[in-house]
Amino acid sequence: ILNVEQSPQSLHVQEGDSTNFTCSFPSSNFYALHWYRWETAKSPEALFVMTLNGDEKKKGRISATLNTKEGYSYLYIKGSQPEDSATYLCASQYNFNKFYFGSGTKLNVKP
Amino acid sequence: SQTIHQWPATLVQPVGSPLSLECTVEGTSNPNLYWYRQAAGRGLQLLFYSVGIGQISSEVPQNLSASRPQDRQFILSSKKLLLSDSGFYLCAWRMQGAGGYTFGSGTRLTVV
Repeated sequence: ILNVEQSPQSLHVQEGDSTNFTCSFPSSNFYALHWYRWETAKSPEALFVMTLNGDEKKKGRISATLNTKEGYSYLYIKGSQPEDSATYLCASQYNFNKFYFGSGTKLNVKP
Repeated sequence: SQTIHQWPATLVQPVGSPLSLECTVEGTSNPNLYWYRQAAGRGLQLLFYSVGIGQISSEVPQNLSASRPQDRQFILSSKKLLLSDSGFYLCAWRMQGAGGYTFGSGTRLTVV
């Protein structure tokens, strides 16, 4: 089992703050990196899939970057809103069915 | 559009009792189907996956089993639950090509 680390474990920010969190993964035999948002009482929802070193994806105020050589990805949220409160999961993929999930970063945005 | 249904949402079962969790997918054919579990404070762990009817791959040895009796139905079972089986169980599907998962809404299982 490969170790995918996410930090911080939890984060409390004020509405309007920008924030970022990290996903670290083994870079050997890497195939793709996935980010999910998991709101309480809902299903995890796919945010981004990235495969190439230097990839950058953006969806509204949320963006993500990927460094496959050193094995990390950053997720950024600009101007956090209360509706951004959720757990953000990353998963590193090594072949079609080998996904390894981190334990998530729980974000709480206070109004 | 594709949807995935998972039930029940919560379950409290005594140690030694059987388990059956069901997951069905609509709006697609021949999906890859998955069962994941999240134990307290840990990441999602893949338990089983299936690429077709009757085909099951097990990722970790445990007290659980899975079956795929129909193309879009995936069942997680146990004959006798252990306390360590408590956790949050998620069913998911993916297409045969690339891309991420579509998850069900999950089942919170507490074994007492």
